[in-house]
Amino acid sequence: DGGITQSPKYLFRKEGQNVTLSCEQNLNHDAMYWYRQDPGQGLRLIYYSQIVNDFQKGDIAEGYSVSREKKESFPLTVTSAQKNPTAFYLCASSARGGHYGYTFGSGTRLTVV
Amino acid sequence: GQQVMQIPQYQHVQEGEDFTTYCNSSTTLSNIQWYKQRPGGHPVFLIQLVKSGEVKKQKRLTFQFGEAKKNSSLHITATQTTDVGTYFCAVETSGSRLTFGEGTQLTVNP
Repeated sequence: DGGITQSPKYLFRKEGQNVTLSCEQNLNHDAMYWYRQDPGQGLRLIYYSQIVNDFQKGDIAEGYSVSREKKESFPLTVTSAQKNPTAFYLCASSARGGHYGYTFGSGTRLTVV
Repeated sequence: GQQVMQIPQYQHVQEGEDFTTYCNSSTTLSNIQWYKQRPGGHPVFLIQLVKSGEVKKQKRLTFQFGEAKKNSSLHITATQTTDVGTYFCAVETSGSRLTFGEGTQLTVNP
């Protein structure tokens, strides 16, 4: 079955450490996105990529970095510069333009202590 | 950037009652999408509305797009416990990216 895989499901890190969240899709979607969700709140866009080797900042990109070297993969690195990294991170993909909806992965819950 | 206001933030209903959530924009929208996120889960795409005044139904769910394409609603008839979750609207902004509303969290008492 096609879909998006995010790993790991839960991640614990010490403050000051960088951490990379994995996102892989086999839907042959051109566009991929990273969102952050805090408890009881909506989704905020971190970064997005509409084509391989290209990506753009979203609304809350500070303290995060991404790469898009392959169509299937869009890893997100949460750097030590991110002031409040503890959150639920969701990766999504869509056919070009997103007109048929986004497909989300099951998310990674990151806790920084 | 493009923003949408979604109300109410929370809604508690008894099983069998109806439920409605609304999304409002100050500008004309090209389209609007609706998603459902179960507790502890991830958002799942429900539907996209494109045309002015469009109404679409999925079983007990009715989606409407306003005539001016500035607002939309999701109505659930006779809620069931399986309807529990947070319902988000999302609108397309520059660069074909989606901006999500804050969501309406629905709880259903059996």
